[in-house]
Amino acid sequence: GAGVSQSPRYKVAKRGQDVALRCDPISGHVSLFWYQQALGQGPEFLTYFQNEAQLDKSGLPSDRFFAERPEGSVSTLKIQRTQQEDSAVYLCASSLGGGAAYNEQFFGPGTRLTVL
Amino acid sequence: DAKTTQPPSMDCAEGRAANLPCNHSTISGNEYVYWYRQIHSQGPQYIIHGLKNNETNEMASLIITEDRKSSTLILPHATLRDTAVYYCIAAGYTTDSWGKLQFGAGTQVVVTP
Repeated sequence: GAGVSQSPRYKVAKRGQDVALRCDPISGHVSLFWYQQALGQGPEFLTYFQNEAQLDKSGLPSDRFFAERPEGSVSTLKIQRTQQEDSAVYLCASSLGGGAAYNEQFFGPGTRLTVL
Repeated sequence: DAKTTQPPSMDCAEGRAANLPCNHSTISGNEYVYWYRQIHSQGPQYIIHGLKNNETNEMASLIITEDRKSSTLILPHATLRDTAVYYCIAAGYTTDSWGKLQFGAGTQVVVTP
C-alpha cells in the first residue's frame, strides 16, 4: 500500500541556495511531522501540522526554515540560504489522529540534503 | 517528555531472543513508552508501545516494570533483518507536545549469523 513518500530522495545544494523538500503523507492522515536527522544521531523534531494548521514550529532551527501544508495534505519544507550545517536527512511522518502520542507515526524514507 | 537511557550497542545471534533494555526513571503518569527502529538508510518504523501493561504484537513484546521506570523490548527470534538502531521513547500527549517524538541515540543492534 501507499506509504509516506518524500521527494527528492537526494538533494545537493550550493551554500546560499534555497531548497524545497516535499512530503506526501498517507491519505487521510491528520497529523504531519518534520524531523531532522544529522549523521549518526537520532531524528530531532522540527515542526507539526494538524491538517493545514501549523501548531508547533518550536524545533525549526532558524527563520531560514519554513514549512507549509496549505490544503492539509502535501507538505513542503523550505530552507532559504542553505548553510553547511543544514546538511542532514529530513524525515516526514504522518499519523491518523490529531496529534495524540498514541497514534503510530509512519515515516517516509527521508530526503538527504548535502550543502556544499 | 521524560528522558530515556539505552545502551549504545548490543549484538545478538540469529534465532535467539534479543532483549533491549531502556531506563526512563522520570517518566510521568500520562507518558507512554514507545519503541521505534531504524534500518540503515530508511525512516524509523514503529514497533510497539505501552502505558503500564505488558504488550505483544507480531513484531515484539514490551515488558514494563511495575514502577514504570524501565522497560525491555523483546525480539523473540532475531533475524538478520532485525539489524537496526532501536529507539526507546517516552512520550505523552499535552497541548504543547502534540505527540512529537524525542529520539535519543538509540541502541545499535547487530544480529549475527
